[in-house]
Amino acid sequence: DIQMTQSPSSLSASVGDRVTITCQASQDISNYLNWYQQKPGKAPKLLIYDASNLETGVPSRFSGSGSGTDFTFTISSLQPEDIATYYCQQYDNLRAFGGGTKVEIK
Amino acid sequence: QVQLQESGPGLVKPSQTLSLTCTVSGGSISSGSYYWSWIRQPAGKGLEWIGRIYTSGSTNYNPSLKSRVTISVDTSKNQFSLKLSSVTAADTAVYYCARDLTYGPNAFDIWGQGTMVTVSS
Repeated sequence: DIQMTQSPSSLSASVGDRVTITCQASQDISNYLNWYQQKPGKAPKLLIYDASNLETGVPSRFSGSGSGTDFTFTISSLQPEDIATYYCQQYDNLRAFGGGTKVEIK
Repeated sequence: QVQLQESGPGLVKPSQTLSLTCTVSGGSISSGSYYWSWIRQPAGKGLEWIGRIYTSGSTNYNPSLKSRVTISVDTSKNQFSLKLSSVTAADTAVYYCARDLTYGPNAFDIWGQGTMVTVSS
């Protein structure tokens, strides 16, 4: 099984701050990684696919990078509507999610 | 556009079998190169992929749940279903169905709203 480890598990930042979340795979998954945003009481929403491709309609302040085992998700300028939990997900071998990162406003 | 809707009992007794159905509307479950997945989320916790089915009937399961999970598809009803046997309180969660793309974004692009299932006597 491929294990996905996200950090931090939670963070608090101010509006306008740059926010960075990391995701580490237990083995090389190339760029087979997606990022999702989940707001309370809602289903997750796809933001980034193939590690760095922005899903249609997603604001450009969201970005992703990385390959192999180490990946990064960035919000370049945090907005109030970005308050949510973010998950990475690998699709190299079946599917598996990271543990999530809860983003709050300071 | 395609929409997914989960349905099934909200309360299941321990040791019994949890059964849920996902109805696909706005498109055919058989069209395109799609898998159809089940994902769950215990309250306050992260997402766990349960398994998926292709419209041919081919399935893949999370190894940690494989012994208890069965996913099936009924193309005539545009539905796919989840059965999870021998449930315990640890299976209490919101259960989501999702479309699982195999190309373009190889990702879960459409989700149901989720249905809460509680395991309790």
